[in-house]
Amino acid sequence: EPEVTQTPSHQVTQMGQEVILRCVPISNHLYFYWYRQILGQKVEFLVSFYNNEISEKSEIFDDQFSVERPDGSNFTLKIRSTKLEDSAMYFCASSVNRTPTGEQFFGPGTRLTVL
Amino acid sequence: AQSVTQPDIHITVSEGASLELRCNYSYGATPYLFWYVQSPGQGLQLLLKYFSGDTLVQGIKGFEAEFKRSQSSFNLRKPSVHWSDAAEYFCAVGTSGTYKYIFGTGTRLKVLA
Repeated sequence: EPEVTQTPSHQVTQMGQEVILRCVPISNHLYFYWYRQILGQKVEFLVSFYNNEISEKSEIFDDQFSVERPDGSNFTLKIRSTKLEDSAMYFCASSVNRTPTGEQFFGPGTRLTVL
Repeated sequence: AQSVTQPDIHITVSEGASLELRCNYSYGATPYLFWYVQSPGQGLQLLLKYFSGDTLVQGIKGFEAEFKRSQSSFNLRKPSVHWSDAAEYFCAVGTSGTYKYIFGTGTRLKVLA
């Protein structure tokens, strides 16, 4: 069964460093998403991406964040200058159709630790 | 604004006992409702979803959920819990006009042997 994959599974970085989190969505999906979950808190929407542009973003997704689909298979989230509060689990998701009726399939997550 | 509330942070049940996890949502129109499960070290797996029609929906792993508009609830149930059901369960709502899902804070289920 096709699945969303994410690399790395765990990333440790120093505050102020740039990180890139990588995702490979399911191949025939057209809509892509990033969510994050700070330890002990709810899963929060960051951004959605369709047709090579951001379709929606939350207030969390400020200028420090960017997303890109550099080729036909990868979808990346970049954090330019990480802060301690960026430590969280980051989930990538993809869907064939637009939400809400398009079911989002989630990857296993990347745990980001900012020291 | 849309919101999802899961009142129970932790629930402990014995294996073989029945289970009900509560979920309440706040949204003016008909919501699109989901239950996801997250096992340790795993991603979010969809258990079931409600879009319209029959208010009792069946999902994977023997789970079901009932949409009650009058109570703004979408509670998850399972008649007999297995030890492998120990995980964190998230209720989520999707709404027309946005791309995002809004998640509840989750309920961590512990199963006693």
